[in-house]
Order: sequence, then structure tokens, then C-alpha cells
Amino acid sequence: GAGVSQSPSNKVTEKGKDVELRCDPISGHTALYWYRQSLGQGLEFLIYFQGNSAPDKSGLPSDRFSAERTGGSVSTLTIQRTQQEDSAVYLCASSWGGPGSTDTQYFGPGTRLTVL
Amino acid sequence: EDQVTQSPEALRLQEGESSSLNCSYTVSGLRGLFWYRQDPGKGPEFLFTLYSAGEEKEKERLKATLTKKESFLHITAPKPEDSATYLCAVQARGTYKYIFGTGTRLKVLA
Repeated sequence: GAGVSQSPSNKVTEKGKDVELRCDPISGHTALYWYRQSLGQGLEFLIYFQGNSAPDKSGLPSDRFSAERTGGSVSTLTIQRTQQEDSAVYLCASSWGGPGSTDTQYFGPGTRLTVL
Repeated sequence: EDQVTQSPEALRLQEGESSSLNCSYTVSGLRGLFWYRQDPGKGPEFLFTLYSAGEEKEKERLKATLTKKESFLHITAPKPEDSATYLCAVQARGTYKYIFGTGTRLKVLA
């Protein structure tokens, strides 16, 4: 079946511009996660969705970052007034999300964001 | 504090030279330990989930084992196509969040 998809695969923007990154999770997965991966760094947790609500936004680096999820499916991560330090690969993952489930996360291919 | 440490950071092997990657963890009650493979420019690809000490799982040339403090990813007779970064993550009971290590970059030379 279809895996997690993300778009765009690459995004180059100028400092100060806003960007939107999209994630389509695996059908039926209720949990959705956003991570950031900087060069040579581990995966940094940004935000977790269960359905359309985000019980944990603790990883968002600043108020320039926001995310939403609609219809329990597609999610959008928005970065306003981008800065050069926002350059990274943004990864989305989804899982079944049930409390008793194995809850294995499956990742998309990522969006590489470059802020000039 | 929940924490994951992977070693070594990088490993170069000759084709056919078996070795092991280490993932040491501290977590307040383990729900699961996960191994992923990540190729350059791609998202992490799921390999294994381990739940309790003593558990082992195998897939082709890879075997993952788990103790109460660490997990090993054993690579038997590796091939150049096994070259990738291998990531380990843990999930604590009652939580949804994964804590990732920084990975081991494996290079297998022909």
C-alpha cells in the first residue's frame, strides 16, 4: 500500500519568506509526527498529532513554527519568516496511534528546506 | 531523563566482515525499541521493533537483540548495499514520543 508522502521534496526560499510543508500519512493512521533533521544531527521531535488535535507541541522551536492537521489525515507544517537556521530536512511519520498498539512509526521521504 | 546513545558514530567494514552496532538506552519503562535504516536523502526505513529483554529479530543479514540496557544490531557478512546510517529509537510506556540516537554511519567496502 501507499506509504507516507511529503511535498515538496525540496524547497529553496529566501530569508524572511513563509513556507508550507505537506505530509500525507498512511491511510488509517491516527498519529502523525513532525521531526527536523539537521546535518549530522539526530531527529529532533517537533509536534505530535492524535487525530486533528496536537497534544504535544513542545518541540516547536519558536512561535514562527505552526502545524495543523485536517480530517485526521493531511498535515501542514508552516514556518513563518524563515531564518537560515531553519535549513534542515523536515520528516513526517505516522503510526496507528492506539494505546495498546505497537505504534511503529513509518516515515516519509522528507522535505529538504534551504533558506538563503 | 530518557536517553539513547549509539556507537560507534561511524564504521567502515570490508564486504563479508561481520560486526555489531550498539544502542544504549535509559528509559522510564520501555514500550519499544526501534531500529531504522536511513539512506542519504531519504527518510528512515523501519527495520525492527523489540519489546522486552531477550528478544531477537532477524531480517536477511541483520539481527537485532535487546537487553535491559542496550540493543545490538548484528550485521553478518555485510554487502556494499548495507551501507547506510542506522538509527535506534526508544519509546517509553504511556508515551507516544520516540527518543532517537544520532545514528551509526556504516560503510561497507567491496
